[in-house]
Amino acid sequence: DAKTTQPPSMDCAEGRAANLPCNHSTISGNEYVYWYRQIHSQGPQYIIHGLKNNETNEMASLIITEDRKSSTLILPHATLRDTAVYYCIAPTPSNTGKLIFGQGTTLQVKP
Amino acid sequence: DAGVTQSPTHLIKTRGQHVTLRCSPISGHKSVSWYQQVLGQGPQFIFQYYEKEERGRGNFPDRFSARQFPNYSSELNVNALLLGDSALYLCASSFQVRGGAASSYEQYFGPGTRLTVT
Repeated sequence: DAKTTQPPSMDCAEGRAANLPCNHSTISGNEYVYWYRQIHSQGPQYIIHGLKNNETNEMASLIITEDRKSSTLILPHATLRDTAVYYCIAPTPSNTGKLIFGQGTTLQVKP
Repeated sequence: DAGVTQSPTHLIKTRGQHVTLRCSPISGHKSVSWYQQVLGQGPQFIFQYYEKEERGRGNFPDRFSARQFPNYSSELNVNALLLGDSALYLCASSFQVRGGAASSYEQYFGPGTRLTVT
């Protein structure tokens, strides 16, 4: 698995875009970048994943740099319910069922 | 469509006892993974099962065991409980273990079982 590095915490104003960075400089060519989040006392929730191209779904957008050494998760209009711990994970393809969670980024959305 | 379900939601046990936690995956999902999350930390991988076979094991003692049934549901068993086993136990399911060289798939987590050992 590629090592990922995230800031421990971030704040965001409600209604504004939240941009959560992740560094994965040792990522290999076949390792996807996955983002999960965990709201207090709940199970983690899958958000989005990508390999090379930018991805967008109903929850978020994922921007991956051309060299794939870093990525940014974008919540376009953060709400109070987006307050959670966000995890960036880059497992090897054989390990996608054995996720290694780091400390993640605690995002606090403020009114 | 129902998500991953786990039972019980909460459990209180005494040191030395054993516990069985249960998980039902999303319909059609054949892989189940178990994680332990102690307070203040991220989830730690315990086991992965696919088609009733163990496909991976994390760094946990032999007191921890699991199995998967023909209907793809799973049980996690912990013997000789210690105070340090108090945690949220999470189950996650996915469609398959892996595909080609650049395969991807996402895991869907249940709400967890909160185990307290006194």
